[in-house]
Amino acid sequence: AQKITQTQPGMFVQEKEAVTLDCTYDTSDQSYGLFWYKQPSSGEMIFLIYQGSYDEQNATEGRYSLNFQKARKSANLVISASQLGDSAMYFCAMRETPYNQGGKLIFGQGTELSVKP
Amino acid sequence: DVKVTQSSRYLVKRTGEKVFLECVQDMDHENMFWYRQDPGLGLRLIYFSYDVKMKEKGDIPEGYSVSREKKERFSLILESASTNQTSMYLCASSGGGVATDTQYFGPGTRLTVL
Repeated sequence: AQKITQTQPGMFVQEKEAVTLDCTYDTSDQSYGLFWYKQPSSGEMIFLIYQGSYDEQNATEGRYSLNFQKARKSANLVISASQLGDSAMYFCAMRETPYNQGGKLIFGQGTELSVKP
Repeated sequence: DVKVTQSSRYLVKRTGEKVFLECVQDMDHENMFWYRQDPGLGLRLIYFSYDVKMKEKGDIPEGYSVSREKKERFSLILESASTNQTSMYLCASSGGGVATDTQYFGPGTRLTVL
């Protein structure tokens, strides 16, 4: 069965420093997608970044980058130059079913990031 | 920008009441989803729909039903609310993002059942 594991329940980082949030996954599929979401205390889940299993380049979106290591089945999120507004829960997710079957996602348990001034 | 809206941010209901949670998306997405989120349990899928009038059970459908009469609207129904349904409910839609299956979420509804 497919599974997403986030081993860091909570992390602290100093403002302006970079931080890496870990995510490992387990799947026997060759084609899959990996996602990261941010959830601030307000509750809304905000899409950050996507990596397809066949993408050769690591995905980047502004200060977010995804360190994709396919052989190790890891998809770590790197946030550069942390800001106070980055304090939130971060969830890693993987597409469980193809798009034409609903595109279901499975989520990890999340990592709570706190940025210190 | 994708916009997913939910009818209420906060809702308080009594045990046994019928509760409707509404979700509307404005991006012509085929797929819509309802999750609940509880501390320590993460996000759990209740129901999803990949077309109008179609619905599929997720991981925890018991005690819930859904309705999708129009493409943009997906309703979650608690037929007889119970205290163990106190939770954060999140709606999402997908079908046109960076990846075609990127899910975009609404702001969530915090439901309390007394």
